[in-house]
Amino acid sequence: NAGVTQTPKFQVLKTGQSMTLQCAQDMNHNSMYWYRQDPGMGLRLIYYSASEGTTDKGEVPNGYNVSRLNKREFSLRLESAAPSQTSVYFCASSEGRLKGWYAGELFFGEGSRLTVL
Amino acid sequence: AQTVTQSQPEMSVQEAETVTLSCTYDTSENNYYLFWYKQPPSRQMILVIRQEAYKQQNATENRFSVNFQKAAKSFSLKISDSQLGDTAMYFCAFMKHVNPGNTPLVFGKGTRLSVIA
Repeated sequence: NAGVTQTPKFQVLKTGQSMTLQCAQDMNHNSMYWYRQDPGMGLRLIYYSASEGTTDKGEVPNGYNVSRLNKREFSLRLESAAPSQTSVYFCASSEGRLKGWYAGELFFGEGSRLTVL
Repeated sequence: AQTVTQSQPEMSVQEAETVTLSCTYDTSENNYYLFWYKQPPSRQMILVIRQEAYKQQNATENRFSVNFQKAAKSFSLKISDSQLGDTAMYFCAFMKHVNPGNTPLVFGKGTRLSVIA
């Protein structure tokens, strides 16, 4: 069971460089999310996609772009990396629809540690 | 906007003892879900327990139980018979209920729990 797969697991960038974090899920989930985790800050939402073809900004979207490539894949792009974007990034997915009152928990990838020098 | 507050940045407990982690939240919604996620040193996010706001009965999963006080907007996690493997960061999270689809989780900043042998 692969679940949610993120690549790369680790990346070091120089200020101004660009990169894309890839995320894929094999659970046929409708909704996908990108969070960043910083010490003492918990997880903060960057962008999410409630369903294929839609994306919405979260709490901290500045400096990021996303693409919902298809139902399985949701990528996060840093166009011009800054040291403030040094963080651990998590992709997550959820069923994204209701079966009765069941909300659908989020399933997370293993995280990607990004360092911007 | 919803906010989630975890007032205990760090806690410790002796092995086999019981510990309670606190969480409060602020919302004007009447229908929502609350979660506790565990993040061990491996960094993986693991769902511990879920509570639907419309249910008065507190959720229980083996050694983990919650005390859900809707009027007080409080959602504490009790871990009984603490084990060394419970050492982790614990995040409280809120999800608004919408039909159809899901909304993203809003996380607290976390409580780092250390179980001491």
